Amino acid sequence: GAVVSQHPSWVICKSGTSVKIECRSLDFQATTMFWYRQFPKQSLMLMATSNEGSKATYEQGVEKDKFLINHASLTLSTLTVTSAHPEDSSFYICSARDGSVSTDTQYFGPGTRLTVL
Amino acid sequence: SQQGEEDPQALSIQEGENATMNCSYKTSINNLQWYRQNSGRGLVHLILIRSNEREKHSGRLRVTLDTSKKSSSLLITASRAADTASYFCATATTTGGGNKLTFGTGTQLKVEL
Repeated sequence: GAVVSQHPSWVICKSGTSVKIECRSLDFQATTMFWYRQFPKQSLMLMATSNEGSKATYEQGVEKDKFLINHASLTLSTLTVTSAHPEDSSFYICSARDGSVSTDTQYFGPGTRLTVL
Repeated sequence: SQQGEEDPQALSIQEGENATMNCSYKTSINNLQWYRQNSGRGLVHLILIRSNEREKHSGRLRVTLDTSKKSSSLLITASRAADTASYFCATATTTGGGNKLTFGTGTQLKVEL
């Protein structure tokens, strides 16, 4: 149980285009989802916290107009990188918290590697 | 700045040996968690220790937590080549937006045959 998927696994795009990444909880309802970014050989940095049906809470320094987050259902959150540039190239990982249990455990997706040319 | 600083940054040991990784943090926490990440992959949750716990075991893993020193350690006993991965500690804190995890800098473990 507690599986989180991400799509796509990797994406290569041209500078200036927008890229959408999906994060799904497959066997549980995720009231809260989180989006992280990880640069090579570095740690995960939390970008934003997404609660179903409400606006995402962004961490300091993360541009909300550039990284659009939508959490329209209890099993799906999307991250759209708008007008992507090479410096946005990174590994994007989502995680989800099971709303039916009182635990702090987050279940992580396999990640999406974005390369912007 | 990083909430969690881990040391060592990298560790190379022989199969069968024990591996110890340390994590220090700065603020009060609800709990501390350890994760494993294989190269280019997602994170796997290993173990969670609450702020009122001092030690926890799970299979070959042993985690300690010293809230007075704001530090934790992860011990992997009888290591195997398959344990080769990066290991991250993450502190859970409560913010205005709810609970969130802050990850440490990570330790790259290499277990050689």
